Amino acid sequence: TQLLEQSPQFLSIQEGENLTVYCNSSSVFSSLQWYRQEPGEGPVLLVTVVTGGEVKKLKRLTFQFGDARKDSSLHITAAQPGDTGLYLCAGVPSSNTGKLIFGQGTTLQVKP
Amino acid sequence: EAEVAQSPRYKITEKSQAVAFWCDPISGHATLYWYRQILGQGPELLVQFQDESVVDDSQLPKDRFSAERLKGVDSTLKIQPAELGDSAMYLCASSLWASALVAGELFFGEGSRLTVL
Repeated sequence: TQLLEQSPQFLSIQEGENLTVYCNSSSVFSSLQWYRQEPGEGPVLLVTVVTGGEVKKLKRLTFQFGDARKDSSLHITAAQPGDTGLYLCAGVPSSNTGKLIFGQGTTLQVKP
Repeated sequence: EAEVAQSPRYKITEKSQAVAFWCDPISGHATLYWYRQILGQGPELLVQFQDESVVDDSQLPKDRFSAERLKGVDSTLKIQPAELGDSAMYLCASSLWASALVAGELFFGEGSRLTVL
C-alpha cells in the first residue's frame, strides 16, 4: 500500500515561532501537493512539487520535495494565528498515477 | 470564481435512514471525486469518476453506498441504510485533468457534514 505518514499529528505553538511538518512514505511519488483546510471548509491547494529536491516558497511557507521523491516538508516561519488549520499532504504514486493519496493531516494551532 | 457546489451542508439523520448528497463540479472538469473525512484526519477516497464512468470505487462500501454521475456533470452519493460510523464530512472535488498524474489541482467543495444518531 502507498501511505503518506504526516508528523506531527498535532502542533500547538505561540505566534512568532517556526515549525516544520513532515510527510513521509516508503513509496515514490510523481508529484506531491500540500493543502490547508479550515474548520467546516474543504481543503485548498497551497503548492504542488514535482521534481526531486524542489523547493517552493509561498510567503512565510517553504515546501520541499525530497531528492528521492518519497518525502516532503512544510516549514512555516514566524507563524501567525491565521496559519491555524489542518495541513494535508497528498501525493500521486509513481506506480499508480490515477490516484491521489492523502496523509492523515497535521492540525496546527497558533496562539496569539 | 467557479466553485464546487455541494448540498446539503449539514445533515442529521437516524441510523437505518437513507441519505443523499449532491455535488456540482466546476464546469468543464471531467474528473469528480467523493471523499469521506473523519474530523481531524485526511480525506479518504470513496469513488472517482471520469466523465460518467467510475474509475475507482475500490474503497466504496457497496453494500450501503452508491454513487452516480449519469450525465457526466453533477453527481449524487447515497447511503442506505446509514450507520453510526458513517458520521463524517463528505467532500466532493473536481479536477480539470483526466489524471492526477498531471499534478492537477483538486478543487474541493465545502463538504456535507453528516451526523448519524
